[in-house]
Amino acid sequence: AQKITQTQPGMFVQEKEAVTLDCTYDTSDPSYGLFWYKQPSSGEMIFLIYQGSYDQQNATEGRYSLNFQKARKSANLVISASQLGDSAMYFCAMRESLRWGGTASKLTFGTGTRLQVTL
Amino acid sequence: DAGITQSPRHKVTETGTPVTLRCHQTENHRYMYWYRQDPGHGLRLIHYSYGVKDTDKGEVSDGYSVSRSKTEDFLLTLESATSSQTSVYFCAISSSSGAKNIQYFGAGTRLSVL
Repeated sequence: AQKITQTQPGMFVQEKEAVTLDCTYDTSDPSYGLFWYKQPSSGEMIFLIYQGSYDQQNATEGRYSLNFQKARKSANLVISASQLGDSAMYFCAMRESLRWGGTASKLTFGTGTRLQVTL
Repeated sequence: DAGITQSPRHKVTETGTPVTLRCHQTENHRYMYWYRQDPGHGLRLIHYSYGVKDTDKGEVSDGYSVSRSKTEDFLLTLESATSSQTSVYFCAISSSSGAKNIQYFGAGTRLSVL
């Protein structure tokens, strides 16, 4: 079974600084996808960034980048130039196929890291 | 905006009553999912659908049923609500095309079973 581990329940970062949120995963599937979602206090789940297991380059989306180290099974999220609006819960997730030969998939989530950006 | 609407957004009900949550999408996506979010567990899959009338169980399906009679609507029913089903419920959609197969979520429904 797949497993996602986020070992940092809470993190603080100063505005304009960079921060790394840790995520390690465990899977026996050779093909998988890794995702990060943001959940602000309003409660919605917002997709941030995706990394495929065969992608050669680390994914980047604006101020978000994913530090993908396949051999270590880690997929850390890096937020550069933190802003007050980045304060939220952040979830790492892994995609697992649900049906053989199909594209329906389940996301397995970690327990999240609460990031607080301070002045 | 992935065009997903969940209703109701908040509901309080009593133990033993039936409850139906609705997920509506406007972009004709094939796959729809129901998750629940509880403290310390992240999100967990309840049921999913891979087409009209095609549904299957997720990892925490006991006590829940689903129906999808139209592409745009995916209903989650608690036949007889229990206090353990107090949770935040999220609907998600994904497209069948593209390697990323990203799941986009609705705003969530906060359900309290008293």
